[in-house]
Amino acid sequence: EAGVAQSPRYKIIEKRQSVAFWCNPISGHATLYWYQQILGQGPKLLIQFQNNGVVDDSQLPKDRFSAERLKGVDSTLKIQPAKLEDSAVYLCASSLVPRGGETQYFGPGTRLLVL
Amino acid sequence: LAKTTQPISMDSYEGQEVNITCSHNNIATNDYITWYQQFPSQGPRFIIQGYKTKVTNEVASLFIPADRKSSTLSLPRVSLSDTAVYYCLVGEVNQGGKLIFGQGTELSVKP
Repeated sequence: EAGVAQSPRYKIIEKRQSVAFWCNPISGHATLYWYQQILGQGPKLLIQFQNNGVVDDSQLPKDRFSAERLKGVDSTLKIQPAKLEDSAVYLCASSLVPRGGETQYFGPGTRLLVL
Repeated sequence: LAKTTQPISMDSYEGQEVNITCSHNNIATNDYITWYQQFPSQGPRFIIQGYKTKVTNEVASLFIPADRKSSTLSLPRVSLSDTAVYYCLVGEVNQGGKLIFGQGTELSVKP
């Protein structure tokens, strides 16, 4: 079974530039999550999708971050404009059903450095 | 969501059993306890989940006392490859899948 795929793996941009990350979840997984992990901290949930609808985006900085999952499969997360404090690893995860504690499968992440 | 507290770091040697304890005093009736493992440059990986008493799988055991205010992840005979960060999470089964990660425990296994 293929895992969660993410691209790019690394990205370096200057502040105020835009950047986009892509995620392809495990086939058949209806729930998709984006997390931000700052160095030395645990992952923090940014947004959760159930199929192509948003379930929770309470911690997404909506003035600069946006995410979509148009066909209920792949998802993109965009930052525009980026700030220095956005430097982090952005993790995508998916699960079969949206139940608390349900096993979530994480991708390798995209490491973003904002200069 | 219940807050969890676990040691920031632990050291061990190859072949030893490692026990990482997590405190979750405000655990609710519907909360499950889940542990994830994260290697450098990788996303977290599910290890084990339980509700009460003891759960064992091919990787680890999870011990949960009757009051459920703490839990202990037990890794038998660790190897160098078990060096990772271990996260304890507590969440309600029907809360829509939300996982709240703390800082985790950084386990270092030495030869």
